[in-house]
Amino acid sequence: DTAVSQTPKYLVTQMGNDKSIKCEQNLGHDTMYWYKQDSKKFLKIMFSYNNKELIINETVPNRFSPKSPDKAHLNLHINSLELGDSAVYFCASSPPGTSWETQYFGPGTRLLVL
Amino acid sequence: AQSVTQLGSHVSVSEGALVLLRCNYSSSVPPYLFWYVQYPNQGLQLLLKYTSAATLVKGINGFEAEFKKSETSFHLTKPSAHMSDAAEYFCAVSERNTDKLIFGTGTRLQVFP
Repeated sequence: DTAVSQTPKYLVTQMGNDKSIKCEQNLGHDTMYWYKQDSKKFLKIMFSYNNKELIINETVPNRFSPKSPDKAHLNLHINSLELGDSAVYFCASSPPGTSWETQYFGPGTRLLVL
Repeated sequence: AQSVTQLGSHVSVSEGALVLLRCNYSSSVPPYLFWYVQYPNQGLQLLLKYTSAATLVKGINGFEAEFKKSETSFHLTKPSAHMSDAAEYFCAVSERNTDKLIFGTGTRLQVFP
């Protein structure tokens, strides 16, 4: 049973396209996150949601729009893809409102923009 | 703002040797500190975390880390490396009241037979 799952695992697309990445967690957590890992393995938070409400938005271009239809899902939609968007995107979840809680990561979505 | 510095982007050890991965943090308040491991083409998995209880924290797979406030360090150690320990290791600090994890740049551990 996968705790945090992401689809697709790989995504190859052309510049200018619009794409979505889906994330689901079955841990019953209230808080979910999106992280971006660049080619140098640097990990940076993009967004966090707590019970469908946006909590953290880390100066991400507005081409990136997270959507949380319910607290078990946090999807990431990206408009007008650029070469620099190529990266691995990780979804994570954690119990609510406590900064010492463990974050559980999904397997990642490898996005390549050509 | 809090930050994390991992000294050494690559560390190589022989199987059976001591593993030492360094992490220093910058924080004006006592932080929460984490070590995560990333195996090739996988997501991150928690190894251990410090949440202001015991300063010596034991984690999975024989790893442990010691919180040293005077040195602002949280180095990760393992007495004897296994081939299966080869992976990327990330130190992270959590900002209180924001749930935001700030990661270091990672250290790739290679284990040679």
